[in-house]
Amino acid sequence: EIVLTQSPGTLSLSPGERATLSCRASQSISSSYLAWYQQRPGQAPRLLIFGASNRATGIPDSFSGSGSGTDFTLTISRLQPEDFAVYYCQQYGNSPFTFGPGTKVDIK
Amino acid sequence: EVQLLESGGGLIQPGGSLRLSCAASGFTFSTYAMSWVRQAPGKGLEWVSSITGSGDSTYSADSVKGRFTISRDNSKNTLFLQMNSLRADDTSVYYCAKVWGTGPSVRYAFDIWGQGTMVTVSS
Repeated sequence: EIVLTQSPGTLSLSPGERATLSCRASQSISSSYLAWYQQRPGQAPRLLIFGASNRATGIPDSFSGSGSGTDFTLTISRLQPEDFAVYYCQQYGNSPFTFGPGTKVDIK
Repeated sequence: EVQLLESGGGLIQPGGSLRLSCAASGFTFSTYAMSWVRQAPGKGLEWVSSITGSGDSTYSADSVKGRFTISRDNSKNTLFLQMNSLRADDTSVYYCAKVWGTGPSVRYAFDIWGQGTMVTVSS
């Protein structure tokens, strides 16, 4: 099983600031089968990034993903009020298709 | 509009069974793999099970293997999760999710999610 570790656990920032979230895998993720999801309180998750760096439909270009192998990053260039949420990475290359524990981005 | 609507959740005693359904609309259901993901109260996301578009291959987490069965009825655009031998640690919101790519694989990210159905296992 591929274990995903996300850091930091909580990121406290102000609107307009840049957020950098990390996701590290216990073994290499083949063909960059790595996704990022956003989950706001009381809502279902929303796909942001697939294939490590491809934005999903309707996702603003303030969100970008990068990385390969075992190290991946989600960057939010300028935080908007609606971006304060929990972010999860997921690998879907090898069953079980594991999620990371999440990074909460909250308002400083 | 692409939509997923889960149903079938509720309060069930330990050891009991429950069948969740997910009604899909707005896309060609049979051409997409589907999955179930759960989230315990206040906790993170946990992948549960996935099934190919044709239904001929399924994949499940070790935590539910032998107890939960994923299936689909492509004629009714509906995904199912049969849950047997339920335990207290199965208490979660259960989401169904559609993958973003077509084809025989399940190896795609989950682009559309339902709103979830709550399952509470308690005596």
